[in-house]
Amino acid sequence: GAVVSQHPSRVICKSGTSVKIECRSLDFQATTMFWYRQFPKQSLMLMATSNEGSKATYEQGVEKDKFLINHASLTLSTLTVTSAHPEDSSFYICSALPGRNEQFFGPGTRLTVL
Amino acid sequence: GENVEQHPSTLSVQEGDSAVIKCTYSDSASNYFPWYKQELGKRPQLIIDIRSNVGEKKDQRIAVTLNKTAKHFSLHITETQPEDSAVYFCASQGSLSGSARQLTFGSGTQLTVLP
Repeated sequence: GAVVSQHPSRVICKSGTSVKIECRSLDFQATTMFWYRQFPKQSLMLMATSNEGSKATYEQGVEKDKFLINHASLTLSTLTVTSAHPEDSSFYICSALPGRNEQFFGPGTRLTVL
Repeated sequence: GENVEQHPSTLSVQEGDSAVIKCTYSDSASNYFPWYKQELGKRPQLIIDIRSNVGEKKDQRIAVTLNKTAKHFSLHITETQPEDSAVYFCASQGSLSGSARQLTFGSGTQLTVLP
C-alpha cells in the first residue's frame, strides 16, 4: 500500500512559539491531503483539506491564520501551528488520497505546548 | 454535513466471543465506509471497507454489513483475541468529487478482549 510519513513524531515547545509539521507521500502523488486533530480518547476531527497549488479549505471553527497549511508539491503538505498555546496540545495526523477511496494516514505528531 | 454515530463507546468481550460495533450515517450520498483500528499513540489502520453497491464483505474473522436504506453499517469480529483490543472507528465518505472525499469519523469504540 501507499506510504505517508510525518515529521516530527513528537515535539515539545514553549507557549507562543510556532511549530511546523510535515506530511509526505513517499511513493505516490497526492493532490489532496487532509489534516486531523485528535485529543485524548476522542475521535479524529478534520481540520482542513490541503490542495496542491491552491489554498486549503478549513473546517468550521478552525482558525486559518493560526493553522497555516502549505501544499507546495504533490508529495508534501505542511501544517504550521502559530503562536502555540497549551490548548493546542494534541495528536496531529495527516492523510493523503492517491485517487482511490482509501486514505493513507501518516504516523501522527504528538504536540505538547508548555 | 455528514454525521456519523457509533455505538457502543466501550465493549468488553471474552476471548473467543464475537464483537459487534454499529454505526449510522446521515448523508444518503455517502458511498464508501471504512473501518479503522487504532492502537494507543499510533495511526489508524484500515481493517476493512465496504462500498455502497455491496451489502456485506468478509475478510477472515472480520466482516462488515451495510444497509443503505436504513443508513447503517456494522463491524463484526468473530473469535476475538487479546490483540484485537484497540479503539475502532467507523467512517463514511462521499463521492470522489471535491470536498465530499472527506472522511467523517464516528466517535470510536474501545474494544477490550479479556483473556
